[in-house]
Amino acid sequence: AQSVTQPDIHITVSEGASLELRCNYSYGATPYLFWYVQSPGQGLQLLLKYFSGDTLVQGIKGFEAEFKRSQSSFNLRKPSVHWSDAAEYFCAVGLPGYALNFGKGTSLLVTP
Amino acid sequence: DTGVSQNPRHKITKRGQNVTFRCDPISEHNRLYWYRQTLGQGPEFLTYFQNEAQLEKSRLLSDRFSAERPKGSFSTLEIQRTEQGDSAMYLCASSHTSANYNEQFFGPGTRLTVL
Repeated sequence: AQSVTQPDIHITVSEGASLELRCNYSYGATPYLFWYVQSPGQGLQLLLKYFSGDTLVQGIKGFEAEFKRSQSSFNLRKPSVHWSDAAEYFCAVGLPGYALNFGKGTSLLVTP
Repeated sequence: DTGVSQNPRHKITKRGQNVTFRCDPISEHNRLYWYRQTLGQGPEFLTYFQNEAQLEKSRLLSDRFSAERPKGSFSTLEIQRTEQGDSAMYLCASSHTSANYNEQFFGPGTRLTVL
């Protein structure tokens, strides 16, 4: 069965510390991979995407993600977190032209 | 603003009433998706259109739900005889098939509260 797992429901990091959010997927074929961010009361904003090629992808707001085929993972990273990064982060996977399958999300809290 | 828009942004209704939401996609996008997001969960797929054709419906889309995209532009999602379990954020997204990927652009959502 197709699935997307974000193992961490909540993560707390100090401002300026590094961040890694985990995402694992189970799909019949290698899907397209996305990370979205959602601030309270807002819609989803695309941070970055992976389709093929270089397995390290750069996104907006200083985020990056690494695709590891052998581990079926697509973890999101940021070297130095800012207070404004506090939000809900969703990993999503999908095949071309089809609906996205989202993980349950990881809530990020940033402490001073 | 050339992004995806949704109206209304908030809707409060009593159980048993019918509600209708509207989504206006990015103008050149031919695919339109509806998702539902409940508290503490990620968005779940409901249905999607390519132009005016409804190509796929999720098991989540009960008989009380109906979606249309009559002219291949805006879409409406109607829920009949609402139940408290329908309370959720309803998200719309659009994309274009000419792009060799599945990047979907999301609207701000319509938050439904059923009392």
